[in-house]
Order: sequence, then structure tokens, then C-alpha cells
Amino acid sequence: SQQGEEDPQALSIQEGENATMNCSYKTSINNLQWYRQNSGRGLVHLILIRSNEREKHSGRLRVTLDTSKKSSSLLITASRAADTASYFCATNQAGTALIFGKGTTLSVSS
Amino acid sequence: NAGVTQTPKFQVLKTGQSMTLQCAQDMNHEYMSWYRQDPGMGLRLIHYSVGAGITDQGEVPNGYNVSRSTTEDFPLRLLSAAPSQTSVYFCASSPSHYSNQPQHFGDGTRLSIL
Repeated sequence: SQQGEEDPQALSIQEGENATMNCSYKTSINNLQWYRQNSGRGLVHLILIRSNEREKHSGRLRVTLDTSKKSSSLLITASRAADTASYFCATNQAGTALIFGKGTTLSVSS
Repeated sequence: NAGVTQTPKFQVLKTGQSMTLQCAQDMNHEYMSWYRQDPGMGLRLIHYSVGAGITDQGEVPNGYNVSRSTTEDFPLRLLSAAPSQTSVYFCASSPSHYSNQPQHFGDGTRLSIL
């Protein structure tokens, strides 16, 4: 069964705007990861945040984690057309396999 | 360094046929896994392996077999294809089964069962 659920399912923005995607999960986790999938391609790892971290940055990406609310958010600042893709959160507990959510489809128009 | 390579990229089968989806990685990763991706369902884990000779079932293992005779290869076998197995299949690998490891994905095999 799905552990993480992304929200919204779809998001359309203009270039230069910020995009925020949210992920909620059900059980305690070791870490949470975000992946990007371009159309027709495999998933690419973006960022990993551990359960004892609250915020992490990587370039234009900012990820937050709130373990008390069992939720995470991915912020993409100053979006570009090349950011158009589906974004997935994935979680696992100690010794278990990675479980993915259903994803958010982001469309960035110029 | 090719990463994770999946073959074939596309395949059409008839109901009842069998086939093997190939997955190979050249990064000496211990952990390998197979997912299927269906519209509106996200990725669901089929089988995984924490090392050569060791495999285990994921969320949706029925109708699929795996084996891991070498570190590099992790083939997925469909024993008797059914239309419900029409999907996009992804293979992934990571250095170990520990949870702090990013997964490296292949580009997928698009499988249609008629």
C-alpha cells in the first residue's frame, strides 16, 4: 500500500514562479526522498532528508520535513520549463524497501 | 559507466506468453528492485534483492519471478502474461539496502499484453 501521498496531483505554473508540492505519509520513517520523472524516462533522485532533519536545500530545491505531522514539502524556486516533470516522494522505515507515492505532475509554461 | 540498463524498451505480448525483462547495473550495487508504474497508481514494488542469491517479495509479486545469480543482473520473469500486467516496469539499484541510499533507476520497459 502507498505510504506517501503527494498533493496536489497536478500543478500548472508560469516560468519564474515557485512550485510547492506536499507529501503526507502514514507511519514513522527513517528518511524521506524526493524524485523527479521526466516523460518517458526513469526516476531521478533529487534530495534525501533524514528523520532528524527539518529542512534541506539543494540548488533551487528546498525540502522540509515535519515528523509530528508526518508531512514533507518540496519547493522549487524560480521554476523553468525544464522543471516540467512528475515529482514523487518516497519513504521507508528501517530495513524495509522504499515506498513511493502517486506523484505530482508539474507543468511549467513559458 | 552506463548505470542501470533495462532491455527491451518496448514489448508486446499475447496473453499466456512468458518473457524475461532484463536489468543490469555496472555500479557494483548490492540492492536491486523492480517496480511497476500504472496511471494513477504511482510505483509499486514487485520484488527486490539485497544481494546475490537473496530475493524477497514486494507489494505486488503475484505473476512474477526473480532471481539474482550475480551482483550485476536482476531479471524479472513473467510466467504467463495477463492483460493486468500491462504496465511500465522500472528496475532500480542502490549501494546497499540501508534506507539512506538514493535509488538509481533505468529508463523502463513498456509492456503491453494483448
